[in-house]
Amino acid sequence: ETGVTQTPRHLVMGMTNKKSLKCEQHLGHNAMYWYKQSAKKPLELMFVYNFKEQTENNSVPSRFSPECPNSSHLFLHLHTLQPEDSALYLCASSQVSGGASEKLFFGSGTQLSVL
Amino acid sequence: QKEVEQDPGPLSVPEGAIVSLNCTYSNSAFQYFMWYRQYSRKGPELLMYTYSSGNKEDGRFTAQVDKSSKYISLFIRDSQPSDSATYLCAFYILTGGGNKLTFGTGTQLKVEL
Repeated sequence: ETGVTQTPRHLVMGMTNKKSLKCEQHLGHNAMYWYKQSAKKPLELMFVYNFKEQTENNSVPSRFSPECPNSSHLFLHLHTLQPEDSALYLCASSQVSGGASEKLFFGSGTQLSVL
Repeated sequence: QKEVEQDPGPLSVPEGAIVSLNCTYSNSAFQYFMWYRQYSRKGPELLMYTYSSGNKEDGRFTAQVDKSSKYISLFIRDSQPSDSATYLCAFYILTGGGNKLTFGTGTQLKVEL
């Protein structure tokens, strides 16, 4: 496996379900991110982890819960989602150097549909 | 005013055409200027990266930055069907309060045979 891998690729869930998205990076990076991509909108940053510590939570509703057990793995736990949460969820990683972390490497995303 | 403006397209061109993709921005503090390419059902991948005004060339791709006009462009020469994708401009600022990466909405490009 190389790069950033995300599972599952597609997910359909009801509003009362609980599910988790998984991300793994094989690049040796020290920062990982969750982004939300909706049609006609810019990528929205949701969470940032630097060295396993959450450094940013971009006013994301509590029905989204991230977990970063180590610098290579990132999870996004989902519960009681709303239909407007349907989107492509992208995981990314980067190497923070001198404070800068501008080059992101993305996974292929999980296409989420909430019914 | 939006921080970044990007025409969503779609833009359709014949194979071999020169393609020009553009973004305008309002935040003069942006330090790095990037273009990401996103194929259908894939995540974005970094295509071009620069931090200064002027042109940067990489094969058939040229990234142009005009800081005085707050305008960046991506030119694709001799476009190929494999260039069909969505192109996202992105801007990065390194601040004491935290780094910020801002994306455009993306321009969908189709190169037809």
